[in-house]
Amino acid sequence: DGGITQSPKYLFRKEGQNVTLSCEQNLNHDAMYWYRQDPGQGLRLIYYSQIVNDFQKGDIAEGYSVSREKKESFPLTVTSAQKNPTAFYLCASSDRGQTDTQYFGPGTRLTVL
Amino acid sequence: AQSVTQLDSHVSVSEGTPVLLRCNYSSSYSPSLFWYVQHPNKGLQLLLKYTSAATLVKGINGFEAEFKKSETSFHLTKPSAHMSDAAEYFCVVSDLTLSNDMRFGAGTRLTVKP
Repeated sequence: DGGITQSPKYLFRKEGQNVTLSCEQNLNHDAMYWYRQDPGQGLRLIYYSQIVNDFQKGDIAEGYSVSREKKESFPLTVTSAQKNPTAFYLCASSDRGQTDTQYFGPGTRLTVL
Repeated sequence: AQSVTQLDSHVSVSEGTPVLLRCNYSSSYSPSLFWYVQHPNKGLQLLLKYTSAATLVKGINGFEAEFKKSETSFHLTKPSAHMSDAAEYFCVVSDLTLSNDMRFGAGTRLTVKP
């Protein structure tokens, strides 16, 4: 089964703690992305990576960090510096670049208490 | 810069009646345009994609969209709504000449009444 997996589906953390969200794809896609979704606002790009060991900031990168050590994995860390971390986080991948069709994972809903 | 505007935040239709979800875009170059659907607490699923081929694009689940350059629109339609179509729909514009710019609309929530 090819696709994108995100874990966990629901995540609760105390304020001030860092938390890492997992994203794995077995589509052999070069590019991967992290988006944040808030009610009524559509999706906003946090970080993207077009190749292993390289990544770029998106529109709202402050308070987040990523790594891309393997082609199939693109974990996102939500740090304590992120002012409003409670949101729905979506990971996506595409074959050759950001203008290609992006395929999305099921998402992780993070709630910071 | 490119952008997309979904003209209705919420659309309500009765089962069996037509669906129209409106999207206008702004792009300096030749855009790619997408429609995605999202069911509650799920990821986004691609419905259809336009990339400068035929202006009428057919997608999954009976949806289609027409690219109208003169009106800068890419409205999504379906002849007959089904209860399972109730979801959030996102229009997305991507510029083929830019390396990292894909813009999402704010979404339209479709409600289907029995």
